[in-house]
Amino acid sequence: KAGVTQTPRYLIKTRGQQVTLSCSPISGHRSVSWYQQTPGQGLQFLFEYFSETQRNKGNFPGRFSGRQFSNSRSEMNVSTLELGDSALYLCASSLPSPRSFSYEQYFGPGTRLTVT
Amino acid sequence: GDSVTQMEGPVTLSEEAFLTINCTYTATGYPSLFWYVQYPGEGLQLLLKATKADDKGSNKGFEATYRKETTSFHLEKGSVQVSDSAVYFCALMILTGGGNKLTFGTGTQLKVEL
Repeated sequence: KAGVTQTPRYLIKTRGQQVTLSCSPISGHRSVSWYQQTPGQGLQFLFEYFSETQRNKGNFPGRFSGRQFSNSRSEMNVSTLELGDSALYLCASSLPSPRSFSYEQYFGPGTRLTVT
Repeated sequence: GDSVTQMEGPVTLSEEAFLTINCTYTATGYPSLFWYVQYPGEGLQLLLKATKADDKGSNKGFEATYRKETTSFHLEKGSVQVSDSAVYFCALMILTGGGNKLTFGTGTQLKVEL
């Protein structure tokens, strides 16, 4: 079974621009979460989507947004890019199960965003 | 709020040495606990997990036991290899009706030398 895929893998943008990142979850997984990884702040939760609805959100400004499509693929968008948005953006998918006490999250390789 | 504290790195060991990476947590509810590993240039891989007190997660020679009384989930391996060199993240998740998220520690870099 194919893993989580993210596109593009690398991206260079200029301050003030906007960017869209894409994530395709493992087939059958309906939950997609996004995380930002930086050397200074570590791994921080951005948001989670399940069945096209955002059901959890981290502490990020409104410039960070996302959505999920009916096929569970997800995109995140960052508008008005700042230098501090340079990071590795990781997507994770999971398969919620009524009988499971934990929703294991499986990560993609990430998109490395550099803002200049 | 919820938080995870890991020992500072880097941890440098010789091949076949014993590994311990300490992890403690603070949680408002009853968390599930995880260890993830990140190799250079890659995303995170789930290494092992435990969902309730006294559970032991294990995988690829790594083990960790969920200790509720000490709020800890220390990662151990009896004999490390050069290929184990990576960054290890301890994480917790509390399931809520409003969704779920992972809260990570800062990561511990492990370097294994011949």
